[in-house]
Amino acid sequence: GAGVSQSPRYKVAKRGQDVALRCDPISGHVSLFWYQQALGQGPEFLTYFQNEAQLDKSGLPSDRFFAERPEGSVSTLKIQRTQQEDSAVYLCASSLVRTSGTDTQYFGPGTRLTVL
Amino acid sequence: EDKVVQSPLSLVVHEGDTVTLNCSYEVTNFRSLLWYKQEKKAPTFLFMLTSSGIEKKSGRLSSILDKKELFSILNITATQTGDSAIYLCAVGKTGGYQKVTFGTGTKLQVIP
Repeated sequence: GAGVSQSPRYKVAKRGQDVALRCDPISGHVSLFWYQQALGQGPEFLTYFQNEAQLDKSGLPSDRFFAERPEGSVSTLKIQRTQQEDSAVYLCASSLVRTSGTDTQYFGPGTRLTVL
Repeated sequence: EDKVVQSPLSLVVHEGDTVTLNCSYEVTNFRSLLWYKQEKKAPTFLFMLTSSGIEKKSGRLSSILDKKELFSILNITATQTGDSAIYLCAVGKTGGYQKVTFGTGTKLQVIP
C-alpha cells in the first residue's frame, strides 16, 4: 500500500479485556516497530521485528503485551487483561532496510486505546 | 540511560515569525538525529542528520547538528498556521538496527 495503516483507529476497552491492534506496513519493508505514546510524551519503543523475527522486545512494559509478525508483513500487538495505564496511542512504523540509523521510519496513524 | 531533551516544551508565535526548536541528547553509540512533525497522530519525517555542521533544508525548514556539543536545532522561517504541530526529535544508534529514542516534543502553535 501507499503507507503504513493501522486498525482500529480507536479502541475503547473495559479494564480486564484483551485487545488486538493491527499494523500493515509498507509493502517490502523489512523492519517493523511498535511504539507507545502517552499523552504529552514522545513515542516510547516497545518492540522491533526484522521480517518475522522479533529481535527486540525490551520495551514491552509487562508480560501482558505480546506482538507477532508471523509472515513478515502484517503485525499484531496484543494486550491481555488491559489496565487503565495502558491507555495511549500505539504507533507502528516500518522501514525498508535493517541496518541501523540509515533508513527512515514511516509511521502509521496509530490506534488510540482507552481503557475504562 | 539514553536521553533526548527538547526545548521549549511549547511555543506560541504569530504567522510570519521565525522559530528555533532545540534538541539535546546523551546517547551511547550515536548514529543519527531525526526530526519528525506530528500533526494528528502519525509522525512524518522531516530530516535525518548524521554529520556536524551540514545544514539540511526543505523549504522554510532547516536543521543542523553539532556532534561536539550534542545538540541540534530546527528552524522554521516565515511560519504559517499549517506549521502548528508537535515537533519530535529522535536519536538513532549504531549496531543492529535503527532503534531510536524520542524526546517529548515541542508543541508549536502558530496563530494568525
